[in-house]
Amino acid sequence: EVQLLESGGGLVQPGGSLRLSCAASGFTFSNYAMSWVRQAPGKGLEWVSGVSGSGGTTYYADSVKGRFTISRHNPKNTLYLQMNSLRAEDTAVYYCAKDRNSERPYHFDYWGQGTLVTVSS
Amino acid sequence: DIVMTQSPDSLAVSLGERATINCKSSQSVLSSSNNNNYLAWYQQKPGQPPKLLIYWASTRASGVPDRFSGSGSGTDFTLTISSLQAEDVALYYCQQYYSTPPAFGQGTKVEIK
Repeated sequence: EVQLLESGGGLVQPGGSLRLSCAASGFTFSNYAMSWVRQAPGKGLEWVSGVSGSGGTTYYADSVKGRFTISRHNPKNTLYLQMNSLRAEDTAVYYCAKDRNSERPYHFDYWGQGTLVTVSS
Repeated sequence: DIVMTQSPDSLAVSLGERATINCKSSQSVLSSSNNNNYLAWYQQKPGQPPKLLIYWASTRASGVPDRFSGSGSGTDFTLTISSLQAEDVALYYCQQYYSTPPAFGQGTKVEIK
């Protein structure tokens, strides 16, 4: 059974940093691209960042480019999102999502339950 | 970047009746190399993560009931629920993956009339 378990969310002040983690199990982690997708309170889905199965290629939404860094550690089956220079508009539930593709973001067949990031003073 | 627009924003349908949600992309998501439409549909119930329903515009994901179907090509797509059940009350999103960044529609809320 595929499981994705996010952690690392919380309350942070504007300008601060957080690192999210996503522990994956139930599939061969390195064979699949992974993404982070966020959802602001009461709003729709916004793709944030993706990484290829090997970790060699990364992708970012313009809204987070230069501030967020996605990475993965395949031996640990874990996906990360380092978030710096956080803004109020980054407040959202952040979902870890498994792709059906190995290279670039396609469509997402498994999602974690999400972790809430709140940016506020 | 490709922009996805869904219509309507919400709809109320009687139990057992048909529900239809439309999705339009700002540019074609049909690949000329493999003739596939790079379009997916998701269902999201309150307090839950999204669930993949349809990919390649018309392929049902594993375990998805056959009352859910996807159609369309190029820039215009439709998700149809043939006979609405109580458990289908949810938000529905389309998503293009023809190009990066992948983009979601704004969502359509389906309720019982």
